[in-house]
Parts: sequence; C-alpha cells; structure tokens
Amino acid sequence: DAGVTQSPTHLIKTRGQQVTLRCSPKSGHDTVSWYQQALGQGPQFIFQYYEEEERQRGNFPDRFSGHQFPNYSSELNVNALLLGDSALYLCASSLEGTGNQPQHFGDGTRLSIL
Amino acid sequence: DQQVKQNSPSLSVQEGRISILNCDYTNSMFDYFLWYKKYPAEGPTFLISISSIKDKNEDGRFTVFLNKSAKHLSLHIVPSQPGDSAVYFCAARDRGSTLGRLYFGRGTQLTVWP
Repeated sequence: DAGVTQSPTHLIKTRGQQVTLRCSPKSGHDTVSWYQQALGQGPQFIFQYYEEEERQRGNFPDRFSGHQFPNYSSELNVNALLLGDSALYLCASSLEGTGNQPQHFGDGTRLSIL
Repeated sequence: DQQVKQNSPSLSVQEGRISILNCDYTNSMFDYFLWYKKYPAEGPTFLISISSIKDKNEDGRFTVFLNKSAKHLSLHIVPSQPGDSAVYFCAARDRGSTLGRLYFGRGTQLTVWP
C-alpha cells in the first residue's frame, strides 16, 4: 500500500526563481493538502485540492498556486521565490467524506532559497 | 495568531516513565484533535486522535485526554521508550470546516533516555 510520495526530496533555488513540487497521494485517497513548515514552527496550511479544484486556502500570497490532476496527484508552484520561502513543504492526503480520519503526510520537500 | 499552542519546546523523560505532552487551543470551534509524531527527515506520522464528544481515547501505550472547558489536551505515553524520541505535534480541525484543514502547534521535542 503506497503512502504519500513527494518529489524532489531537496531543492536549492535562488531568489526570484520559480519552483514546482510534486505529490502523489496515498492509494485510495482523493484529496491533497499542502503545508509549509518553517524551521522551529509547526506546519502551516497552504491550500487543499479536491476534484481538481482548490477549495480552501490558508494565508499565503498568490505566488503560491497549485494543481490537481485526474489521477489525484498534485503540484505546488511558487513564483518569485523569496528567502522566507525556505522551508519544508509537506503534502498530505485524505479521502473525502470519511469523517474523522487523519490526513497522511509525505516526507516533504526541503526547499532552500539562496 | 497561533490557535494551537504547545508551550513546552522540549521534554526529557527516563525510559519506562510516563511522558506527558500538553497542548492548548483558543478556538472553541475545534471539534477534532490529533497528535502526530515526526522523526528527522521524515514527514509527520499520525499517532492518535480524539473527537470533541469524548474526553479520552486510548491506543496501546498512548492516551489522549481532552478538557474542553479548559481548551486543553494532553498526550500520555506509558511506558516511554527510547524509540518514542521525536517531535510531537498537536493539531486541530475547525468544526466549521469539514474540508480537513488542520491547525498545528509548534511541536514538543521528546527525548527518552535509557
């Protein structure tokens, strides 16, 4: 039973560049959420995708955008990178309509901005 | 504004003893609470959860207690084992959001020593 997989594991970019992170949800899951975890902080919700649409968004600027594909996998795109975007980006998946069930997380992508 | 707070950044416990990790929240709309464990270089792993209609939930060595009037929950680990050493995150979901957005605390680093 494949869990949540994320790629790449690590990424180094410079200010102003753009980045795309990828996530495949746990088998059988249809909903993908993205979180940003800065050093010493807990994960902060970026947005959630279901049925290929963004349906909830946290307090992140429009530079953060995403996409969900028909196979439920998802991408997180960040434009005009800032030093403050350096963080661990986590993807979590769940199954819609299953009530009180936990989200399952991938191991994350460590993004470093120079 | 941090709606989920873990005021102890670290906790050190001897093997075999009880570990008690605490979490406070400010949003009375939270109806589902979770604990995640995180090892370095891995994503958060779901540990145990509790619905707001309960005040206790047990799973093996792990028990979560919820005190709604105090807006406080705690995770008890008995007996503690060296393999329990990790960062523990408390998370909560808003009852007004069935979409599953989670709010996280900053985490508590638990160290269990032999």
